[in-house]
Amino acid sequence: QSVLTQPPSVSAAPGQKVTISCSGSSSNIGNNYVSWYQQLPGTAPKLLIYDNNKRPSGIPDRFSGSKSGTSATLGITGLQTGDEADYYCGTWDSSLSAPVFGGGTKLTVL
Amino acid sequence: QVQLQESGPGLVKPSQTLSLTCTVSGGSISSGDYYWSWIRQPPGKGLEWIGYIYYSGSTYSNPSLKSRITISVDTSKNQFSLKLRSVTAADTAVYYCARRTYLTPSYDYWGQGTLVTVSS
Repeated sequence: QSVLTQPPSVSAAPGQKVTISCSGSSSNIGNNYVSWYQQLPGTAPKLLIYDNNKRPSGIPDRFSGSKSGTSATLGITGLQTGDEADYYCGTWDSSLSAPVFGGGTKLTVL
Repeated sequence: QVQLQESGPGLVKPSQTLSLTCTVSGGSISSGDYYWSWIRQPPGKGLEWIGYIYYSGSTYSNPSLKSRITISVDTSKNQFSLKLRSVTAADTAVYYCARRTYLTPSYDYWGQGTLVTVSS
């Protein structure tokens, strides 16, 4: 049971937009920065978004992040088949004094 | 370009100690801007934070694993290491080393990961 809750799966057609939610509480998302990771099959996670909505160098602006209250959202526009991956949210939990991750969301591009 | 590379045995017997080393290249582990981290992922499951170390040697560990973990750093070799004692099948996972920025809880560079199987 993960501290952060994500939908197990989402799907959309190529070229469309998809959003992935990450729900938490005041001890984690509500008062800390959120990051998002993309994990392509058989590879290590890759940082997509940090500090709620910032993109590292090299990450296309098709990827965006937002946060409102105790929830965060990853948005992906112009979906490509290469975007098929597992996506994880992460943040710090002040009650646990530890980093926490969501359970992951599998994106299928139909 | 910073690179991290895990190394260590891929098979550990139950009750023994899992030992992994992460070698950092392209940057100094002695930079005060980062925590050097271990994260694991059981097969088919999500990510679990194990712990991290600062270049000074200060460590922070997952409370659920803290009693079994030792994380150490060797700045002369630009490496940091993980020891997990008394392993069971539940410790079977891909183990990643990663760099966490000091100011925010995000991991910007990851190793490729190494699968450690606990089995007799």
